[in-house]
Amino acid sequence: GAGVSQTPSNKVTEKGKYVELRCDPISGHTALYWYRQSLGQGPEFLIYFQGTGAADDSGLPNDRFFAVRPEGSVSTLKIQRTERGDSAVYLCASSPAVSGANVLTFGAGSRLTVL
Amino acid sequence: AQKITQTQPGMFVQEKEAVTLDCTYDTSDQSYGLFWYKQPSSGEMIFLIYQGSYDEQNATEGRYSLNFQKARKSANLVISASQLGDSAMYFCAMREITNSGYALNFGKGTSLLVTP
Repeated sequence: GAGVSQTPSNKVTEKGKYVELRCDPISGHTALYWYRQSLGQGPEFLIYFQGTGAADDSGLPNDRFFAVRPEGSVSTLKIQRTERGDSAVYLCASSPAVSGANVLTFGAGSRLTVL
Repeated sequence: AQKITQTQPGMFVQEKEAVTLDCTYDTSDQSYGLFWYKQPSSGEMIFLIYQGSYDEQNATEGRYSLNFQKARKSANLVISASQLGDSAMYFCAMREITNSGYALNFGKGTSLLVTP
């Protein structure tokens, strides 16, 4: 696609529920990143994929968070047993490859609200 | 440890004036990249400018320039001839080439308000 597409744009759920957030990167981009942005903060790194594999998942806060990218394109961020503290905007970004100067192109984000 | 520090939570500038947004970084790598992104109220992150650690010239992109002082580990963004549409959050970010991940580490941002 022309840009990074994220769905849903807004998700309201109850504490304890399971949610999935989807990211469709720019066609041909091999690197895909997930970030979380809380109100008034900068984006916080969660995980990045090079192709199908998670090359670095050091930012995932705990084992309730998991992400997949089975075919090296679309990625899904999965959050189990959601907590109120998970409320944030989840940003996805992609880049053509992994190198120093490669610019990350971001999607518009998925706003998650946990009641 | 915080790798990117943006000390100005908020800045004001009058339209048509220039403004400098501060950014300092912390790394032991010799090879790294520095980025600035703009985030308007719509929420989308917009790439503005990039500076590589080995680049000898300061990066420029239209009205944006990056004042790169390697010894001081600072990478300040200069916006010339400010426009009302420049009002937004601005984030400085760094990629450390030799570390795993190649992810960008972002600062907390500076909110810029351009006044008429």
